[in-house]
Amino acid sequence: DVKVTQSSRYLVKRTGEKVFLECVQDMDHENMFWYRQDPGLGLRLIYFSYDVKMKEKGDIPEGYSVSREKKERFSLILESASTNQTSMYLCASSFGRSYNEQFFGPGTRLTVL
Amino acid sequence: KNEVEQSPQNLTAQEGEFITINCSYSVGISALHWLQQHPGGGIVSLFMLSSGKKKHGRLIATINIQEKHSSLHITASHPRDSAVYICAVWGSQGNLIFGKGTKLSVKP
Repeated sequence: DVKVTQSSRYLVKRTGEKVFLECVQDMDHENMFWYRQDPGLGLRLIYFSYDVKMKEKGDIPEGYSVSREKKERFSLILESASTNQTSMYLCASSFGRSYNEQFFGPGTRLTVL
Repeated sequence: KNEVEQSPQNLTAQEGEFITINCSYSVGISALHWLQQHPGGGIVSLFMLSSGKKKHGRLIATINIQEKHSSLHITASHPRDSAVYICAVWGSQGNLIFGKGTKLSVKP
């Protein structure tokens, strides 16, 4: 079974802090994605990556950056957390370059005070 | 207008009822993804389909590419089916575009 893990289920940070959200997948998937999920808005794509050291902006990249130094790990970074970044963050991965099924991590519920 | 529209937004059913959730999309894609999210957040893939129909247990998914419409059916619904059901289609960059989800509650 594909396993996608995220570093924390719940996280509470203060405004202005730098926040790292880690995602690791164990199936050698090329593609990795970061989404945020908010009530009434559904899932929205923040960033994605098709390969090591590659990154592409999604629909809402502002206020976020990412890092993919190893194939299995994709990190989402909030350089200076703000209250409007309070959300559920979900990581996903998929195989290959075509339209393949995405496998999701359990999510990190981030609260920024 | 959203690129992926789901209906209904909320659905309450009695145990045993037949349930249908609809998804219409405006972007041109070759496949569609149905996902299930239980309270607590974890998302599980149910189906990925590009034509016709797929069945897994009590779940059936259909898609009509020409009409850009898909349905997810649950037969003999059970309280453990209570979850948010999300449909998603692929965008031109290979990323998924999601509907806002249908929250299903099945009462015993």
